Amino acid sequence: AQSVTQLGSHVSVSEGALVLLRCNYSSSVPPYLFWYVQYPNQGLQLLLKYTSAATLVKGINGFEAEFKKSETSFHLTKPSAHMSDAAEYFCAVSEGGGFKTIFGAGTRLFVKA
Amino acid sequence: GAVVSQHPSWVICKSGTSVKIECRSLDFQATTMFWYRQFPKQSLMLMATSNEGSKATYEQGVEKDKFLINHASLTLSTLTVTSAHPEDSSFYICSAIQGMVANEKLFFGSGTQLSVL
Repeated sequence: AQSVTQLGSHVSVSEGALVLLRCNYSSSVPPYLFWYVQYPNQGLQLLLKYTSAATLVKGINGFEAEFKKSETSFHLTKPSAHMSDAAEYFCAVSEGGGFKTIFGAGTRLFVKA
Repeated sequence: GAVVSQHPSWVICKSGTSVKIECRSLDFQATTMFWYRQFPKQSLMLMATSNEGSKATYEQGVEKDKFLINHASLTLSTLTVTSAHPEDSSFYICSAIQGMVANEKLFFGSGTQLSVL
């Protein structure tokens, strides 16, 4: 069975600082991995995805994530935080070829001026 | 890019009434749609998988008679919360897959906030 663990329900950074949101996964087969962002009272927007190609994945809004099989991790980073990055971020996993996506508990990112 | 429209965005209803939420894929055909439920400050919980022209597949613990799902066409799936009660108050989100491609073609609606009084 698949599962996703996001370390830290809240992360606070200063504007301009590095953003690091942690995600570890469990999957019995090579996984597809995703990061989504959710703004209040809205649906989810895909930031980036890993589907067995390059292990370093670049997404929208300057975010990127690195797939590390040995660590079963898919941490999300951004070199310089912006106030508009404040939102809820979800890591998600699905088994290759399947459609069912399992979401992590989410991490709320706060950006301080 | 592909768009999934969810309607209504907000709904307030009295306890005991039924509420229908629509999920439409506006510019693509969605053979598969998903319905999620999200409690405040929590993650999305998959409720059911909706396949066009067939019965929905419900996740364990989700009452199929409570949450009726209909996927009558390739662009529309509906979720009806029957005899709603305050504990059904939640944020409901749908997503749709374009064609038969795997998850990289998964698009989300903007969600529906249901409040049952």
